[in-house]
Amino acid sequence: EVQLLESGGGLVQPGGSLRLSCAASGFTFRTYAMSWVRQAPGKGLEWVSGISGNGGNPQYADSVKGRFTISRDNSKNTLYLQMNSLRAEDTAVYYCAKDGFSAARDFDYWGQGALVTVSS
Amino acid sequence: DIQMTQSPSSVSASVGDRVTITCRASQGISTWLAWYQQKPGKAPKLLIYDASNLQSGVPSRFSGSGSGTDFTLTISSLQPEDFATYYCQQANSFPSIIFGQGTRLEIK
Repeated sequence: EVQLLESGGGLVQPGGSLRLSCAASGFTFRTYAMSWVRQAPGKGLEWVSGISGNGGNPQYADSVKGRFTISRDNSKNTLYLQMNSLRAEDTAVYYCAKDGFSAARDFDYWGQGALVTVSS
Repeated sequence: DIQMTQSPSSVSASVGDRVTITCRASQGISTWLAWYQQKPGKAPKLLIYDASNLQSGVPSRFSGSGSGTDFTLTISSLQPEDFATYYCQQANSFPSIIFGQGTRLEIK
């Protein structure tokens, strides 16, 4: 059974940093691209960042480029999101999501989400 | 940048009704489109990929169609568990992953 378990969320002051982790199990982690998708309170879904199976070619939404860094450790089956220079508008539930089996960038499994609150 | 526009933003329907949700892309995306269902407090669930392929385990009352710029998600006979918010997603490549704004399906 595929499982994705996020951790590392919490309350942080504006300008602060936080690192999210996503522990994966139930599939061959290194063969799938992974993404982070966030959802601000009461709002829709926003793709944040994605990374290929071998860790190359990380990509970012314009809203987080230069502040967030995605990475993965295939030996630990874990995906990360390092978030720096956090702003109030980064407040959201952050989901990690696994690429589906098709050639498209759809997401067939999602974690339960980690809440990040940026507030003084 | 590609924009994804869903309509309607919300819809009220009854159990047993047929419901159609539309998603329009601002430029052609072939069949690089996915549909998700999200219930309050839960993660999204993939329903349809590649515009018309039913994800494993999803009931057959859900179907998707379209290509290019216009896509539809149809629920043939609404069940009580189908009341949720639905999102389309442009699924071509990083970093062009864009979600529609969502359609809230409510009980009439």
